[in-house]
Amino acid sequence: NAGVTQTPKFQVLKTGQSMTLQCAQDMNHEYMSWYRQDPGMGLRLIHYSVGAGITDQGEVPNGYNVSRSTTEDFPLRLLSAAPSQTSVYFCASSPSLANEQFFGPGTRLTVL
Amino acid sequence: AQSVTQLDSQVPVFEEAPVELRCNYSSSVSVYLFWYVQYPNQGLQLLLKYLSGSTLVESINGFEAEFNKSQTSFHLRKPSVHISDTAEYFCAVSSGGFKTIFGAGTRLFVKA
Repeated sequence: NAGVTQTPKFQVLKTGQSMTLQCAQDMNHEYMSWYRQDPGMGLRLIHYSVGAGITDQGEVPNGYNVSRSTTEDFPLRLLSAAPSQTSVYFCASSPSLANEQFFGPGTRLTVL
Repeated sequence: AQSVTQLDSQVPVFEEAPVELRCNYSSSVSVYLFWYVQYPNQGLQLLLKYLSGSTLVESINGFEAEFNKSQTSFHLRKPSVHISDTAEYFCAVSSGGFKTIFGAGTRLFVKA
């Protein structure tokens, strides 16, 4: 049981480039989410999904897209990277609304 | 709207001393409450949670938290800390929708 996996671990982009952060879970969880972590601001929800084919926006969705074609995968796309998107990104999954979230190890992204 | 306030950004404490990390929340409906711990360069892990029932909840490594509905608080306590407890601690609130709100975090430094 690998839990929640994220790739890559580190990434450096130039302003305007696009990329996809990958997230996968093998626990058959319906709920998945993407957060960004910035110093002094805790975790802020970017997008989330309550099942395959269903996604919704969180607190800070601008500049990011998601899709959920399978239960296992929930990729996050940066459309045109900006320095303000420099952050650590965490993917999480949960079996239900009232349960804990299981977090991946994170992706540290730097946009120059 | 929900919000979470962690009242201390950093808490230094000597080894074997007691510690309290404070968390207050605002919500107009019933809530689920969580404490997560993040060790350096890792994702978040669940420490303990309150869903319903007894207002005092405990973790396997000696932490406990008490849900106080009248004061809208969920403070985390440990009677005797270890060096290995050095980490960042996040309080989180969910009110049934999938949008979990995290506090800004409290860095606990345990000194020898």
